[in-house]
Amino acid sequence: QKEVEQNSGPLSVPEGAIASLNCTYSDRGSQSFFWYRQYSGKSPELIMFIYSNGDKEDGRFTAQLNKASQYVSLLIRDSQPSDSATYLCAVMNAGKSTFGDGTTLTVKP
Amino acid sequence: DTGVSQDPRHKITKRGQNVTFRCDPISEHNRLYWYRQTLGQGPEFLTYFQNEAQLEKSRLLSDRFSAERPKGSFSTLEIQRTEQGDSAMYLCASSSGGAGELFFGEGSRLTVL
Repeated sequence: QKEVEQNSGPLSVPEGAIASLNCTYSDRGSQSFFWYRQYSGKSPELIMFIYSNGDKEDGRFTAQLNKASQYVSLLIRDSQPSDSATYLCAVMNAGKSTFGDGTTLTVKP
Repeated sequence: DTGVSQDPRHKITKRGQNVTFRCDPISEHNRLYWYRQTLGQGPEFLTYFQNEAQLEKSRLLSDRFSAERPKGSFSTLEIQRTEQGDSAMYLCASSSGGAGELFFGEGSRLTVL
């Protein structure tokens, strides 16, 4: 079992819809949780992070954390074609971040 | 702030040769990380430094891999006696600590023939 699990997708949503991306992790000592976006052929870039249970909103993005269920999610509202990318979930413990294999999202115009 | 820079961006080598990659982090960041990524996979942790101290090295990493960060500034990652399985994108990232968010360079793509 991988330490960080994500559905590989692909996830396809129409433009303007809400995209929901999920992630589970195995290390209960994990302290911070991150979502990165990676366009094809590019390196990952940070979207947002969360470290407390509940929701955190940043523009069109909302991260949700449930430590009891060891579950992190990312909601993208009003999805745009430019959101088409692979979304990587990462969890950090003791200074080291461990990544999932990512979910590929396609937003269709 | 010029971001994280990596050199070379691409490296093609023959099996058995040694290669070295360089990473220059964001200047005020004290943590520096190396990851390896292959197609369809997420970044795989290799090692990380806080200033000049190497705090952790992946147990998956063979003795052919070594990394240094002299004076807590730039870092080098050397792979000795390369194998075809070493072909991957080698990503460097830096962090100021905080929540641990990583800022990645563009990566160094290694192809071993």
